[in-house]
Amino acid sequence: EDKVVQSPLSLVVHEGDTVTLNCSYEVTNFRSLLWYKQEKKAPTFLFMLTSSGIEKKSGRLSSILDKKELFSILNITATQTGDSAVYLCAVDLFSGGYNKLIFGAGTRLAVHP
Amino acid sequence: EADIYQTPRYLVIGTGKKITLECSQTMGHDKMYWYQQDPGMELHLIHYSYGVNSTEKGDLSSESTVSRIRTEHFPLTLESARPSHTSQYLCASSEYRTDTQYFGPGTRLTVL
Repeated sequence: EDKVVQSPLSLVVHEGDTVTLNCSYEVTNFRSLLWYKQEKKAPTFLFMLTSSGIEKKSGRLSSILDKKELFSILNITATQTGDSAVYLCAVDLFSGGYNKLIFGAGTRLAVHP
Repeated sequence: EADIYQTPRYLVIGTGKKITLECSQTMGHDKMYWYQQDPGMELHLIHYSYGVNSTEKGDLSSESTVSRIRTEHFPLTLESARPSHTSQYLCASSEYRTDTQYFGPGTRLTVL
């Protein structure tokens, strides 16, 4: 059974801290791994990772994929209260003739002033 | 930035009513998706479409139905809403080249 597991489930930090969010997966026909940030409503796209060892960066956020060990991490440096959200990891895979996303349960990050 | 819209944003209705949740995108994406998400839980795919007149059921069984008569429009219908249908419904679309899915703002449905 395809599955995506995120850890921790919940994290509370203070502004300025650095956090690392983890995502491990067990899937067949892997295509890519995606990170989303979900605040009140819809997930917003952060990164798509397809190759091992190539870091993607966007401001204070960065992510890397390890296809051998089947995991990815999302780093946020110098956290701000606006980073408070649920961070979703999803794996895009081929199954039954179509591609689909399998989502993890998310990591709920709370950044306190 | 993605342009994908959902209406209504919130809907509270009584049991037995027929409802349609609207989703439209202006990016010309061929692929569109509906997800269901309960509070604090994962997103689950309930329907997807690869283009006009193409619709398929997703992983999570759902009593809803969808249609895709136009590329930009992918409405979801519940013929007879029940309290068990209370959830958040998220629509997404993607282009063939990257398959990165962009999400609409969601519709939070409450059935009393």
